[in-house]
Amino acid sequence: QTVVTQEPSLTVSPGGTVTLTCASSTGAVTSGYYPNWFQQKPGQAPRALIYSTNNKHSWTPARFSGSLLGGKAALTLSGVQPEDEAEYYCLLYHGGTQPWVFGGGTKLTVL
Amino acid sequence: EVQLVESGGGLVQPGGSLRLSCVASGFTFSDYWMHWVRQGPGKGLEWVSRIHGAGRFTNYTDSVRGRFTISRDNAKNTLYLQMNSLRAEDTALYYCVRNLVQGVNVWFDPWGQGTLVTVSS
Repeated sequence: QTVVTQEPSLTVSPGGTVTLTCASSTGAVTSGYYPNWFQQKPGQAPRALIYSTNNKHSWTPARFSGSLLGGKAALTLSGVQPEDEAEYYCLLYHGGTQPWVFGGGTKLTVL
Repeated sequence: EVQLVESGGGLVQPGGSLRLSCVASGFTFSDYWMHWVRQGPGKGLEWVSRIHGAGRFTNYTDSVRGRFTISRDNAKNTLYLQMNSLRAEDTALYYCVRNLVQGVNVWFDPWGQGTLVTVSS
């Protein structure tokens, strides 16, 4: 059973920078895992932010960026805004019979 | 406007069945993989199943394989999830999601608003 691990919670001050990570139990995350990142606010459906490691959708604010960092996928928020308080999920491709696995999510608090 | 609208959720007893539907509009439905993703109450997202654009290939998460069947009708722009032998742990909001695979670009958007499935006696 593949497990994808994210920090359960992080806190950041407005205007600060924070990095969320996404690790796979199968080993180092590479671009071949096609990391995707999603933001979910209470009562709303998830919204796509980043695809294929570091690509932004047209609606993704410039302060969000994706990368690979130390064998993990990473989502960095620079110049955090109060409206960035949300749950963030990563999604990784592992192939096989159960190809896609979500991380457990990171609850980001802006305080 | 690209849109996905789910329906078919409801209250069902353990061991019962439900069929979820997701009607797509605003894009060429058959060009895309489609997925079902669920979220239990107060829990995180869980990938459930996917189906190829032409319907040839399907995959499932281990916990639903053999009980759930994903299918699509491209003439009706509709995705389905037939859920049998339902268990309490299947209680969740079920989302359908469009997935584009274009070379190294793989993304998931849009998401529907979800349909709620509650399994309880």
